[in-house]
Amino acid sequence: AQSVTQLDSHVSVSEGTPVLLRCNYSSSYSPSLFWYVQHPNKGLQLLLKYTSAATLVKGINGFEAEFKKSETSFHLTKPSAHMSDAAEYFCVVSGAGNTPLVFGKGTRLSVIA
Amino acid sequence: GAVVSQHPSWVICKSGTSVKIECRSLDFQATTMFWYRQFPKQSLMLMATSNEGSKATYEQGVEKDKFLINHASLTLSTLTVTSAHPEDSSFYICSARDPVSGSSYEQYFGPGTRLTVT
Repeated sequence: AQSVTQLDSHVSVSEGTPVLLRCNYSSSYSPSLFWYVQHPNKGLQLLLKYTSAATLVKGINGFEAEFKKSETSFHLTKPSAHMSDAAEYFCVVSGAGNTPLVFGKGTRLSVIA
Repeated sequence: GAVVSQHPSWVICKSGTSVKIECRSLDFQATTMFWYRQFPKQSLMLMATSNEGSKATYEQGVEKDKFLINHASLTLSTLTVTSAHPEDSSFYICSARDPVSGSSYEQYFGPGTRLTVT
């Protein structure tokens, strides 16, 4: 069985400061991990994905995440927050085969001017 | 990249009526599609897995007779909310895997359908 825990339901940062959204996972086998972003009343957009290649994954809009197996973590970071980054972020784990994705509960990122 | 569309994007219906939501994979064939429901300020909840040419697999607690899923072709899955009630008002999102390029088990999401039942 797989699960994902997003450690913060809400993160607030000032514009231009670093962003850290935390995610821990649990999986019986080597997982694929994803971060998705959702703006209000919109669908999901893939930010980045880890699929057992490089442990440091770079995504769109300056985001990146590091897969740490020893810590079972996949935290999302960005060096400098922009107002347009304000949204809901979901950490997601996928198992083998055609199994459904498992979503974290989401972290709402607020960016203060 | 792979694109998934949903139609309609927004629908209002009266209590007791039925509403059909379409999910299409535009540039790939999807043997499996997924339907999610999202309440305000909450995460996505998987409702069912839709398999082309066979019956959908519903998650525990999801009423099969209320949420009818049909996956008649490799590019189309439909979700019909029957006898809708105000508590069915929600944001419904579908997704699909591209079996050709989806080796990373990535799913492509539709833009969602906002259902409001009055």
